[in-house]
Amino acid sequence: EAGVAQSPRYKIIEKRQSVAFWCNPISGHATLYWYQQILGQGPKLLIQFQNNGVVDDSQLPKDRFSAERLKGVDSTLKIQPAKLEDSAVYLCASSFSIEETQYFGPGTRLLVL
Amino acid sequence: GEDVEQSLFLSVREGDSSVINCTYTDSSSTYLYWYKQEPGAGLQLLTYIFSNMDMKQDQRLTVLLNKKDKHLSLRIADTQTGDSAIYFCAEIHNDYKLSFGAGTTVTVRA
Repeated sequence: EAGVAQSPRYKIIEKRQSVAFWCNPISGHATLYWYQQILGQGPKLLIQFQNNGVVDDSQLPKDRFSAERLKGVDSTLKIQPAKLEDSAVYLCASSFSIEETQYFGPGTRLLVL
Repeated sequence: GEDVEQSLFLSVREGDSSVINCTYTDSSSTYLYWYKQEPGAGLQLLTYIFSNMDMKQDQRLTVLLNKKDKHLSLRIADTQTGDSAIYFCAEIHNDYKLSFGAGTTVTVRA
């Protein structure tokens, strides 16, 4: 079965620019997660979707970050405007349901200059 | 402090066993996980253990759980160069959220 797909794999932007990341979860997985992984740290949850609804976005910096999963399948994460401290790997994960094991995509490596 | 703590680095000779240790804080965690992250890649689920188990073996991997001390370890037998990676321990909370440690970088030397 195909894994979690993410694009782009790498992105370099200047501060104050905008950027968007895309995620396609494993087919049939209702729950989708976006994590931020800063160099030298473990992943930190940004937002969790159940189908097309937000379950938890308490750690999402809503003044600059937004995410959507309009049809309950693919998801996009946007940063506008980007700051230097947003440089990180953005990981998407999915699971069949909230209780089930999470499977991760390859991540998008963002560098903000 | 962090919910999950791990030592940051481990260097091991090829063919030896590696032991990566982790401590966690949530005594109600039902599962504990080990993920592997190779350079430039995402997280790959290696193995997990139910909280009512003491040990789980899967080929070269052995997971030991000491629930009383909230201590988890991952042993890799006959460590190979392909095992060089960052290993993350993670606990799951009652709301099914995962908390990760900072990762242990394992370097396998010839």
